[in-house]
Amino acid sequence: AQSVAQPEDQVNVAEGNPLTVKCTYSVSGNPYLFWYVQYPNRGLQFLLKYITGDNLVKGSYGFEAEFNKSQTSFHLKKPSALVSDSALYFCAVRDGVLGDNDMRFGAGTRLTVKP
Amino acid sequence: GAGVSQSPRYKVAKRGQDVALRCDPISGHVSLFWYQQALGQGPEFLTYFQNEAQLDKSGLPSDRFFAERPEGSVSTLKIQRTQQEDSAVYLCASSFGGGGFINEQFFGPGTRLTVL
Repeated sequence: AQSVAQPEDQVNVAEGNPLTVKCTYSVSGNPYLFWYVQYPNRGLQFLLKYITGDNLVKGSYGFEAEFNKSQTSFHLKKPSALVSDSALYFCAVRDGVLGDNDMRFGAGTRLTVKP
Repeated sequence: GAGVSQSPRYKVAKRGQDVALRCDPISGHVSLFWYQQALGQGPEFLTYFQNEAQLDKSGLPSDRFFAERPEGSVSTLKIQRTQQEDSAVYLCASSFGGGGFINEQFFGPGTRLTVL
């Protein structure tokens, strides 16, 4: 069965600095990988996904993520953090096996961007 | 708005009561998902509908949990004889295509269920 790990509960960065939120995964087949963001009192919002193709995926709000098959990672990055990026970030993985609808989410990483 | 809506937003139930949670997906979205999110955890998959067909219910934790989407739009998650361990936020999400988890999912704000 697939699994995903977000090794950091909390990430703190200063505004204007680059940010990285880490995610590693385990699947038996090819992975479908997603990042979602959850702002306070709001539903989860899709940021980006990797299904196939280029390893560097660009998404909403200037975020990007790099699929690294050898390291089984899909870290979320942004070159210059904004205070408004402060939120809870979830990585999710689905095993790309036909008929498998089980998508697993990580426990989340709380990003705090300080002015 | 045109987003996914859920009702009620908050529900307090006494142990043993039955509850029904409603989800209104985005109009025209084929796929609908239910998740359970415990405090401090990520969402956990419960069940998936493609139109009115429940294609996957492998995540439902017990036979006390039941979901339906009879006309392929609104969905209801019912929990019978609630237990304290059922306390969580229940999230509904919808997506346009029928490709299961490949497509972007749009999430509702969730229903926070507290079982006393």
